[in-house]
Amino acid sequence: GNSVTQMEGPVTLSEEAFLTINCTYTATGYPSLFWYVQYPGEGLQLLLKATKADDKGSNKGFEATYRKETTSFHLEKGSVQVSDSAVYFCALSAPGGFKTIFGAGTRLFVKA
Amino acid sequence: GAVVSQHPSRVICKSGTSVKIECRSLDFQATTMFWYRQFPKQSLMLMATSNEGSKATYEQGVEKDKFLINHASLTLSTLTVTSAHPEDSSFYICSAMSSGAEETGELFFGEGSRLTVL
Repeated sequence: GNSVTQMEGPVTLSEEAFLTINCTYTATGYPSLFWYVQYPGEGLQLLLKATKADDKGSNKGFEATYRKETTSFHLEKGSVQVSDSAVYFCALSAPGGFKTIFGAGTRLFVKA
Repeated sequence: GAVVSQHPSRVICKSGTSVKIECRSLDFQATTMFWYRQFPKQSLMLMATSNEGSKATYEQGVEKDKFLINHASLTLSTLTVTSAHPEDSSFYICSAMSSGAEETGELFFGEGSRLTVL
């Protein structure tokens, strides 16, 4: 079945450091891939998405590229801020399917 | 962007009472809504999928009679926790998929509702 594996946290970085959160997936066909972010006490927000191989999703300085050859969708940001502290979820949705599969989430702490 | 509103954001109730949580899509029609439960520092656990005008589809292990879901219109789904007990205390989150977004699977989430059962 479909699954998403993302690196365990927490990840602690200093402000302006480079961020990478790894995400790999298992799926049949060509799923859509997402990164969602959850700030403390809130629901999830879509951060970025990619719907086909080699697409790059980007938003608020975050980027992730849909790599079918490595079945990966790693999240990166060149310079993190304290306000980026949150939990990040990698997710996939199979075409025409209604069930989104979420990774376990990676908590990010950014220190000033 | 599409907005999903969830209410109440926090609720405290006594053991044995029932609690209703509403999930509304404010600026789009949501043919499908999802209800999740999230335990502290864990991922989302899908509880059920609700389609407008039909019965909800529950995930394995989720009690249908305990967690009543109603999707009466294209903009509103409700989750009622019946005869709540302390072990039902959790963060409940809804999400919605707009008509036409089925191909990409993009979801819009509510703010979440924290239920505390005393």
